[in-house]
Amino acid sequence: QVQLQESGPGLVKPSQTLSLTCTVSGGSISSGGYYWSWIRQHPGKGLEWIGYIYYSGSTSYNPSLKRRVTISLDTSKNHFSLKLSSVTAADTAVYFCASWSILIGYEAFDSWGQGTMVTVSS
Amino acid sequence: EIVMTQSPATLSVSPGERATLSCRASQSVSSKLAWYQQKPGQAPRLLIYGASTRATGIPARFSGSGSGTEFTLTISSLQSEDFAVYYCQQYNNWPPLTFGGGTKVEIK
Repeated sequence: QVQLQESGPGLVKPSQTLSLTCTVSGGSISSGGYYWSWIRQHPGKGLEWIGYIYYSGSTSYNPSLKRRVTISLDTSKNHFSLKLSSVTAADTAVYFCASWSILIGYEAFDSWGQGTMVTVSS
Repeated sequence: EIVMTQSPATLSVSPGERATLSCRASQSVSSKLAWYQQKPGQAPRLLIYGASTRATGIPARFSGSGSGTEFTLTISSLQSEDFAVYYCQQYNNWPPLTFGGGTKVEIK
């Protein structure tokens, strides 16, 4: 299993764009076998899937966030990134990156980053 | 979107006792269901996938069952390290991947 680590600003102003990066170690982001994903958790609440990117560049997003989300990857740096535009206080959450295994019969989020808290406030 | 509903929201159990957690899907997800454990301040950890297969390193006291719309996670004899929040997640019909609201297992 790979290891993942999120990084990025912990404070974002309303209406601005939230930007986070997830660095992957212990494996190549280009190797296939995983959808590289973002998930968030509002304070004291459950988990919300944001979207994923595959090494080919194909993406899939949660319809509830699709208008504002962009996930990209940089194979040279072995990392992938999340951009969420026009943020409001409702986007305040812990953001996790995770690897979704796409192996037939073993589909699951099998590795997670530790999570990073992002607060939207002026 | 498939809605996942977990019950109860909180389960109070004494160490050594059995815990039974339920997860219901708003439509059939076949056996495409996973369970995760989350402790305070930590990321979730995969416990079960395919409704009943334990992930690598997960103790045998954790077992999953069910298919279609009704699923159960059973912890046969609760250990101190098992007190946590548990989430189910479906992956049969997506996007979006969806999670249940969680069940908190607390010490009685």
